[in-house]
Amino acid sequence: EVQLVESGGGLVQPGRSLRLSCAASGFTFDDYAMHWVRQAPGKGLEWVSGISWNSGSIGYADSVKGRFTISRDNAKNSLYLQMNSLRAEDTALYYCAKGAGYSSGWPGDYWGQGTLVTVSS
Amino acid sequence: DIQMTQSPSTLSASVGDRVTITCRASQSISSWLAWYQQKPGKAPKLLIYKASSLESGVPSRFSGSGSGTEFTLTISSLQPDDFATYYCQQYNSIWTFGQGTKVEIK
Repeated sequence: EVQLVESGGGLVQPGRSLRLSCAASGFTFDDYAMHWVRQAPGKGLEWVSGISWNSGSIGYADSVKGRFTISRDNAKNSLYLQMNSLRAEDTALYYCAKGAGYSSGWPGDYWGQGTLVTVSS
Repeated sequence: DIQMTQSPSTLSASVGDRVTITCRASQSISSWLAWYQQKPGKAPKLLIYKASSLESGVPSRFSGSGSGTEFTLTISSLQPDDFATYYCQQYNSIWTFGQGTKVEIK
């Protein structure tokens, strides 16, 4: 059974940093691209970042480019999102999603339950 | 960047109704389009990929069509479990989601 479990969310002040983690199990992690997608309270889905199976291809939404860094550790079956210079508008539930293929050219076929990030003073 | 526009934003319907949601891309995405269902407090669930391919385990009352810039999701006979928010997503170039369509009880 595919499982994606996010962690690392919490309340953080504007300008500070936070690192999210996603622990994956139930599939061959290093065969698939992985993504972070966020959802602000009461709003729609926003893609944040994606990384290919071997970290060779990485992409970011314009809204987080230069502030967020995605990475993965295939030996640990884990995905990460380092978030720096956080802003109030980064407040959202952050989902980890498994791509259905090795690159970003596939949809997300499994999603975690999300970890909540709240940026507030 | 590719923009995705869904319509309508909200749809009121009854059990048994045929429901159609439209999604338009700002440029051609071939058939690289997916549809998701999201219920309150839950993660999105993949329904359709490659515009018209049904994800395993998804009821056959869901269907997708279109290519290029115009796409539709159809629910042939709305069931109580189908009241939810639906999102289209292009994955031709990174990922972009539509703003969502909430299907509510009439």
